Amino acid sequence: SQKIEQNSEALNIQEGKTATLTCNYTNYSPAYLQWYRQDPGRGPVFLLLIRENEKEKRKERLKVTFDTTLKQSLFHITASQPADSATYLCALWTGTASKLTFGTGTRLQVTL
Amino acid sequence: KAGVTQTPRYLIKTRGQQVTLSCSPISGHRSVSWYQQTPGQGLQFLFEYFSETQRNKGNFPGRFSGRQFSNSRSEMNVSTLELGDSALYLCASSLLSGSGTDTQYFGPGTRLTVL
Repeated sequence: SQKIEQNSEALNIQEGKTATLTCNYTNYSPAYLQWYRQDPGRGPVFLLLIRENEKEKRKERLKVTFDTTLKQSLFHITASQPADSATYLCALWTGTASKLTFGTGTRLQVTL
Repeated sequence: KAGVTQTPRYLIKTRGQQVTLSCSPISGHRSVSWYQQTPGQGLQFLFEYFSETQRNKGNFPGRFSGRQFSNSRSEMNVSTLELGDSALYLCASSLLSGSGTDTQYFGPGTRLTVL
């Protein structure tokens, strides 16, 4: 069956360190992978998109990698700050389904 | 530009009742997608409307339905509510339909509680 797995346990890191979040998928062949941030009581906000033929994408302190052989995407936040604390969702888009399918998200907590 | 708005923000209903939720997309966006978010299942796709036509549908029972108006505003309806329908209902708008590169802009959601 098709699955998108993100760490269900919260990730706690210290301010200034690099946070790395994982998104693994099975039985999908996504053409695109997107990452969103969601704060409590709010809708998700788009952060980054990476295509299947791209290995890496960067935007300011954010970096996403996409390995279609391992069926995995890694999302990095460098020099993390308490304001980065939120839940981060990965979402796959496949041409066959023609819709975004979301993972359940990983909660990131950045402490001083 | 105003963001996606959803009304109402909170709703309490009892089992068996029906509910209608509303979503106004960003001006110029013609695609509206609806999602259900629960702690156990995460964000699950309900359906997508584009130019008043349903373009895609998730795996939800027929009690869940929607429509889109000529001004791109969308409504979703849930009939015969069940306890398990308690969730945050999110709508998202985008410019295009069926494009994996198109950004989805989410509203704040409607928190539905079924007692």
